[in-house]
Amino acid sequence: DQQVKQNSPSLSVQEGRISILNCDYTNSMFDYFLWYKKYPAEGPTFLISISSIKDKNEDGRFTVFLNKSAKHLSLHIVPSQPGDSAVYFCAASAASGTYKYIFGTGTRLKVLA
Amino acid sequence: AAGVIQSPRHLIKEKRETATLKCYPIPRHDTVYWYQQGPGQDPQFLISFYEKMQSDKGSIPDRFSAQQFSDYHSELNMSSLELGDSALYFCASSGQTYEQYFGPGTRLTVT
Repeated sequence: DQQVKQNSPSLSVQEGRISILNCDYTNSMFDYFLWYKKYPAEGPTFLISISSIKDKNEDGRFTVFLNKSAKHLSLHIVPSQPGDSAVYFCAASAASGTYKYIFGTGTRLKVLA
Repeated sequence: AAGVIQSPRHLIKEKRETATLKCYPIPRHDTVYWYQQGPGQDPQFLISFYEKMQSDKGSIPDRFSAQQFSDYHSELNMSSLELGDSALYFCASSGQTYEQYFGPGTRLTVT
């Protein structure tokens, strides 16, 4: 049972436009969310986070939106750049002594020059 | 800035052999997590340690064990290796926040 889902396995966007990556979760206990970017044969690179007390967090070109009632979060990249081409994972965790993150299946973003 | 270090980066073992993967967390991070990522799959949580004590356990086979040492580095020991254990093994660390930072991974190939 996939608790964190990224329903779009791939996404292509023109350079300079907005990329929107979506993530849905089923466990209402999740209250911490991370987005990672991953290149082949490398470790996931942390991008941005959000906790359930917020509905938006922004860091440069990256903005994450959280809709708790819909159990949905999205990552916006504006403007998209060719170097953003990678696989993006969302991950969710319920608050505990440590944070065991459940990862989504990933979305492969391709930014076209 | 210092990142999570994992060694070795690549490891080739035969079936039924043992392997030890090492992880050195970011300085002042007290929590270490191990994840396994199979081909075309998302990272799956294996086990975590906080202040040298096991804090959480995921889908880690009984053939695997791990520990965190006094310097906060962690080792994942894998015995009786099977072909299906071939994967990327990631270590992540965290400090006082909920954000986890990943190492570059160890690619284990079992032949």
